Amino acid sequence: GGIITQTPKFLIGQEGQKLTLKCQQNFNHDTMYWYRQDSGKGLRLIYYSITENDLQKGDLSEGYDASREKKSSFSLTVTSAQKNEMAVFLCASSIRQEDYAEQFFGPGTRLTVL
Amino acid sequence: QQQVRQSPQSLTVWEGETTILNCSYEDSTFDYFPWYRQFPGKSPALLIAISLVSNKKEDGRFTIFFNKREKKLSLHITDSQPGDSATYFCAASPYQGGRALIFGTGTTVSVSP
Repeated sequence: GGIITQTPKFLIGQEGQKLTLKCQQNFNHDTMYWYRQDSGKGLRLIYYSITENDLQKGDLSEGYDASREKKSSFSLTVTSAQKNEMAVFLCASSIRQEDYAEQFFGPGTRLTVL
Repeated sequence: QQQVRQSPQSLTVWEGETTILNCSYEDSTFDYFPWYRQFPGKSPALLIAISLVSNKKEDGRFTIFFNKREKKLSLHITDSQPGDSATYFCAASPYQGGRALIFGTGTTVSVSP
């Protein structure tokens, strides 16, 4: 088995601030994902990375940057936090890009912007 | 636009009843349809999945029925238990593009004893 760790668990920022969320996995999975979950809106894909140093934009990439520093870690940056923004950011990983690989999710980072 | 639609948004059933959750999609590039379950305060986890090659997938009390012509799926939970109370997400994955998932907005199920 393995585990996905997300830091921090709670993140409070100010409007306009640049904020970074981190994700680590020890599954040795190739592919990693960042999703945003708003209340009542399901999960929306922000960025994903098929392998180290790869980055692919999801439908919600505007306002975010991502970085896949190494196979086990994937970071997400909110480039300019929006006032009253509240959401949970979920990191996920899967063994590989192709086939029907299950995605495993981390515990999430809850963002609040004051 | 919402590429994966789910209905109802929420429902309550009695213990022992069958719960039916609906999902539909429009994109013909989708070929894999997992359902994820999320308990309150927890992260989503894979429950059951089906691909285009199948019309039905069963796992214990959980069954997916797939109408490919109409692009509709349904998840049936037989003998519903209070422990099944959760939000259920239907998702879809295209056969290209990193297998990223497109999620529906979810159905929140409450099972009353």
